[in-house]
Amino acid sequence: QKEVEQDPGPLSVPEGAIVSLNCTYSNSAFQYFMWYRQYSRKGPELLMYTYSSGNKEDGRFTAQVDKSSKYISLFIRDSQPSDSATYLCAMSSESYNTDKLIFGTGTRLQVFP
Amino acid sequence: GAVVSQHPSRVICKSGTSVKIECRSLDFQATTMFWYRQFPKQSLMLMATSNEGSKATYEQGVEKDKFLINHASLTLSTLTVTSAHPEDSSFYICSAARGGSTDTQYFGPGTRLTVL
Repeated sequence: QKEVEQDPGPLSVPEGAIVSLNCTYSNSAFQYFMWYRQYSRKGPELLMYTYSSGNKEDGRFTAQVDKSSKYISLFIRDSQPSDSATYLCAMSSESYNTDKLIFGTGTRLQVFP
Repeated sequence: GAVVSQHPSRVICKSGTSVKIECRSLDFQATTMFWYRQFPKQSLMLMATSNEGSKATYEQGVEKDKFLINHASLTLSTLTVTSAHPEDSSFYICSAARGGSTDTQYFGPGTRLTVL
């Protein structure tokens, strides 16, 4: 079993839709949870990070962590064609700065006009 | 701020040759740099972690004699793939961390390596 599971998609939605992206994990030691956006042939860009359980909102993006279920989500409101990219979840147990990050495989999102 | 560059962005080489990839933090000093590998439709896998001036720590299954990492300064780390073979073809991405509990790893744009 992989430490982090993520549906690879692709997920195709119309512009303006609410998008829900999810990851599950097996290691209960994970405390830091991140979402990265990766455009084709580019490096990942940090979107959101959350420490422990709870919600965090930043503009159109909301990250949720449920440690009891070992389940994290990223919601994108009012999705735009420019949101089309691969979204990677990542986790670490010590810190998201100097610790090893465990990534999901990424979900490819396509937002069509 | 917090920009990380990689060079080259793409390299094609013959089997058996060595390839060097550079990772630079352009506007900050990176206490720690990481090297990841990403195969198509797979997740980023950490290969090694390096701190300036010390030997890199390699993940299990990564051959340290094949993937040489040098973190010579606080702004530069290099990954050398020695005697590259077609199975080494992949997308190599570095990240750099400044340190501090509230900061994050900043990723470079990646290097696409193709070994013929």
